[in-house]
Amino acid sequence: DGGITQSPKYLFRKEGQNVTLSCEQNLNHDAMYWYRQDPGQGLRLIYYSQIVNDFQKGDIAEGYSVSREKKESFPLTVTSAQKNPTAFYLCASSIGRIGGDNQPQHFGDGTRLSIL
Amino acid sequence: GQQVMQIPQYQHVQEGEDFTTYCNSSTTLSNIQWYKQRPGGHPVFLIQLVKSGEVKKQKRLTFQFGEAKKNSSLHITATQTTDVGTYFCAANQAGTALIFGKGTTLSVSS
Repeated sequence: DGGITQSPKYLFRKEGQNVTLSCEQNLNHDAMYWYRQDPGQGLRLIYYSQIVNDFQKGDIAEGYSVSREKKESFPLTVTSAQKNPTAFYLCASSIGRIGGDNQPQHFGDGTRLSIL
Repeated sequence: GQQVMQIPQYQHVQEGEDFTTYCNSSTTLSNIQWYKQRPGGHPVFLIQLVKSGEVKKQKRLTFQFGEAKKNSSLHITATQTTDVGTYFCAANQAGTALIFGKGTTLSVSS
């Protein structure tokens, strides 16, 4: 089955550590996205990538970094600079923009990150 | 930056009652998308509205896009317990990333 796989499902981080969240898709989608979800805050965009080897900051990129070396993969690193990293992280993908419009997104099951 | 306001934030209904969530933008949108997230799950795409004044139906769900393409609504007729979850609108402006509203969380008691 085609889809998006996020791993791990739960992740614990010690203070001062960097952690990397995995996101892999086999939908042959060009675009990939990372969101952070906190209670009552909806989905806030961290980073997105429209094509391999290119990505843009979203609304809350500080303390995070990404790479897009392969079409299928868009890992997110939560650095020690992110002072409040406890949240639910969602990865999504879509086909590329059509006429400048973003297309419907398919989401993974998410990773819950907590601070020890 | 661009924001999309979604109201109400929470809504509780008795099973069988109707439910509506509203999404408003200060700027004209090229189109709007709606998603549903079940408790403990991930958002799932429901529908996309493109044309001014467009109305689309999916069984008991009715989606509407305003004439000015600045607002949208999702109406559920005769809610069921399977409708519980958070409903998000996502606004599309050409050349920018999708902007999600904060969502409306629906609870239904039987």
